[in-house]
Amino acid sequence: EVQLVESGGGLVQPGGSLRLSCTASRLTFSSYWMSWVRQAPGKGLEWVANIKQDASEKYYVDSVKGRFTISRDNAKNSLYLQMNNLRAEDTAVYYCATGGYYWPFEYWGQGTLVTVSS
Amino acid sequence: DIVMTQSPATLSVSPGDRASLSCRASQSVRGNLAWYQQKPGQAPRLLIYGAYGAATRATGVPARFSGSGSGTEFTLTISSLQSEDFAVYYCQQYDNWPPLTFGGGTKVEIK
Repeated sequence: EVQLVESGGGLVQPGGSLRLSCTASRLTFSSYWMSWVRQAPGKGLEWVANIKQDASEKYYVDSVKGRFTISRDNAKNSLYLQMNNLRAEDTAVYYCATGGYYWPFEYWGQGTLVTVSS
Repeated sequence: DIVMTQSPATLSVSPGDRASLSCRASQSVRGNLAWYQQKPGQAPRLLIYGAYGAATRATGVPARFSGSGSGTEFTLTISSLQSEDFAVYYCQQYDNWPPLTFGGGTKVEIK
């Protein structure tokens, strides 16, 4: 069974930084586009960013451009999201998921909660 | 950006009944539309993707779930609701991006 496990969430002050990680197992990680999707408390789903298999293409939702950076390490089967200059509105559960390039989000992690508050 | 609009926001259904959930795109997404199910405290689960009258169920998804539509109008149908089907359902387009966009969700609750 495919497994995606996120980590790195927590409480951070506005303006602070956090780095999320997602480790994949039981899939050929290097073959997949990967995405981050977030969900604010009690709200719907919002795509945040995605990255091509070789990291040569990266895309972001406008609200995080210039603040968030998606990256990956295929040797470690890992996906990352560096989040800088965090705002209260970034508070959400962050999920990593496969897909996002003309393909649905097929596999999802369990999510990691990021809370931005003073 | 393509705006995805789901209706109704809440659907009250009795177990065993048929449920039809609607998703509308602000412009054509061709057949590049997916449906997800999310239960409280859980990650979303891919149910259905693609359309053009031949939407594909994801692995392990029961046959009572079906999808139809293309262009701007899509429907997720649950033929006979089981207790485990009461959840929130989201549609998502992956045709014209960035950004990839989701609908606001339809909550299917027990009547």
